[in-house]
Amino acid sequence: EAEVAQSPRYKITEKSQAVAFWCDPISGHATLYWYRQILGQGPELLVQFQDESVVDDSQLPKDRFSAERLKGVDSTLKIQPAELGDSAMYLCASSPGTTDTGELFFGEGSRLTVL
Amino acid sequence: AQSVTQLGSHVSVSEGALVLLRCNYSSSVPPYLFWYVQYPNQGLQLLLKYTSAATLVKGINGFEAEFKKSETSFHLTKPSAHMSDAAEYFCAVSRPFAGNQFYFGTGTSLTVIP
Repeated sequence: EAEVAQSPRYKITEKSQAVAFWCDPISGHATLYWYRQILGQGPELLVQFQDESVVDDSQLPKDRFSAERLKGVDSTLKIQPAELGDSAMYLCASSPGTTDTGELFFGEGSRLTVL
Repeated sequence: AQSVTQLGSHVSVSEGALVLLRCNYSSSVPPYLFWYVQYPNQGLQLLLKYTSAATLVKGINGFEAEFKKSETSFHLTKPSAHMSDAAEYFCAVSRPFAGNQFYFGTGTSLTVIP
């Protein structure tokens, strides 16, 4: 069964350091999402890609976060410098496109702890 | 604007009892609605979805939900709780023909008491 792959699963870093997360969506899925989930809360959208283009990054803290999907396949989310408040689960999801029934397929997430 | 509200951040039920998790939505257009489940340190897994077909939707693991437009609700139910149902549950709304943007509720943590 096709899955969304994410790495690393766990990351511990010190504040002011740089950190990067990688996501490989299900093959053929045009839409890719990065969500941040703080413990005890629901996922919040950081950025949405349609192929290699950004559809929505209105909630991405652009002073320290960046995301790219250069070839419209896999994607990288970077944080530099990391802050204590960035400790969260970073979830990647994909869907076939923008006109399907809308189901998102999630990866297992990358848990970030900033010390 | 679209949003979902999940009433009750924590729900406890006895094993074998009815599970009822509440979700209300607001949407300016007919929405698509979803329930996802999340186990500790894992991603979200789809339980079921409503996409404007039958209003009573059956999902995996014996869960079902009913879309009630008049009440703007999409509550999740299961007749008999099992210990393995203990998890976090999220309701979500989307508009797939308008960019497929998803909005998630804050989640309900389900505890099953043996």
